[in-house]
Amino acid sequence: AQSVTQLDSHVSVSEGTPVLLRCNYSSSYSPSLFWYVQHPNKGLQLLLKYTSAATLVKGINGFEAEFKKSETSFHLTKPSAHMSDAAEYFCVVSDGNTGTASKLTFGTGTRLQVTL
Amino acid sequence: NAGVMQNPRHLVRRRGQEARLRCSPMKGHSHVYWYRQLPEEGLKFMVYLQKENIIDESGMPKERFSAEFPKEGPSILRIQQVVRGDSAAYFCASSPGREAFFGQGTRLTVV
Repeated sequence: AQSVTQLDSHVSVSEGTPVLLRCNYSSSYSPSLFWYVQHPNKGLQLLLKYTSAATLVKGINGFEAEFKKSETSFHLTKPSAHMSDAAEYFCVVSDGNTGTASKLTFGTGTRLQVTL
Repeated sequence: NAGVMQNPRHLVRRRGQEARLRCSPMKGHSHVYWYRQLPEEGLKFMVYLQKENIIDESGMPKERFSAEFPKEGPSILRIQQVVRGDSAAYFCASSPGREAFFGQGTRLTVV
């Protein structure tokens, strides 16, 4: 069984300050991990993914995440927040151990608010 | 290569009617997933299909809900005799492997 815990339901930062969105996972196999972003009334956009290559993963819009197996964490960071980053962020795990597609398990989401 | 296409984007149904949600996966993708997002919640897995086969339907309600992915044509999520609690955003994703690409979703409102 696989699960994801997003430790904060809401995060508020000032524009220009760093962003940290926390995620811990549980998986029976070597997981693939993803961060998706959802802007209001929009679909889901993939920010970045970890699939057992480099542990530090760079994504779009300046976001990155580090896979830490010892801590079972995959926190999302960005050095400097922009107003356009305000959205809902989902940490997602997939444990398709055969390398084929398997169902994705979503965290409950973290709403990022960016203030002036 | 067009993305995952879902239609309609918005669907309003009266209680007791049927809702049909369509999803065309990206070209070359043979795996399709359906997820439901209730207001203020994350996405919950419903069903995983490959062409003509249901692989995992552990998230599907036992009654009124069904899904198919025929050899030709889009995947269909069908909800019979809709109730107010079915109001949600329904997202489809397609995948060639581990990574999933999501459509824009269908927002179902039951009145």
